[in-house]
Amino acid sequence: ETGVTQSPTHLIKTRGQQVTLRCSSQSGHNTVSWYQQALGQGPQFIFQYYREEENGRGNFPPRFSGLQFPNYSSELNVNALELDDSALYLCASSRGGAGSNQETQYFGPGTRLLVL
Amino acid sequence: GDSVTQMEGPVTLSEEAFLTINCTYTATGYPSLFWYVQYPGEGLQLLLKATKADDKGSNKGFEATYRKETTSFHLEKGSVQVSDSAVYFCALRKPGANNLFFGTGTRLTVIP
Repeated sequence: ETGVTQSPTHLIKTRGQQVTLRCSSQSGHNTVSWYQQALGQGPQFIFQYYREEENGRGNFPPRFSGLQFPNYSSELNVNALELDDSALYLCASSRGGAGSNQETQYFGPGTRLLVL
Repeated sequence: GDSVTQMEGPVTLSEEAFLTINCTYTATGYPSLFWYVQYPGEGLQLLLKATKADDKGSNKGFEATYRKETTSFHLEKGSVQVSDSAVYFCALRKPGANNLFFGTGTRLTVIP
């Protein structure tokens, strides 16, 4: 059974650019959540995808968007990058979805984004 | 609103010392509670969890008991090892909610 994988591991962008981060969920998991972890902080929930639709969103602006594909993998897109977007972006997968008692979320290793 | 408060770090202990990392929470209803660990340069790993009051989660010598009366989920280990050096995060998930809500983390360093 493969775990959650993310790509790329590291990324450097400049302010105003756009970035796409990718996540493959753990085998058998149909729900993907994205978190932003700023340096020295705990992860903060960005949004979740279930059955290819957004299934809950945290306090992040619309320039943070995502997709989920039929194989349950997911992308996080961030437009008009700002310096404060520099962080570790974590993807987590789980079973379950909207309205259900979701099972435990399992995290990938993260993508470290630096915005200059 | 919902919140998780962890004891501030960093925490430095000698090998074989007893560890306690305090965690208290504020949430309506009966959240599930979790401890995640983040080793240097890695993502988060689930360490243990508890889903209802008085449940005890345990794993790799770590334990935490869900205390509804004190809204706490303190992490303990009787004898830490150098390999336990990491950042520990307490988190909650409210019933029916999609997301985890994390504390700010506590960095543990164990010295030989």
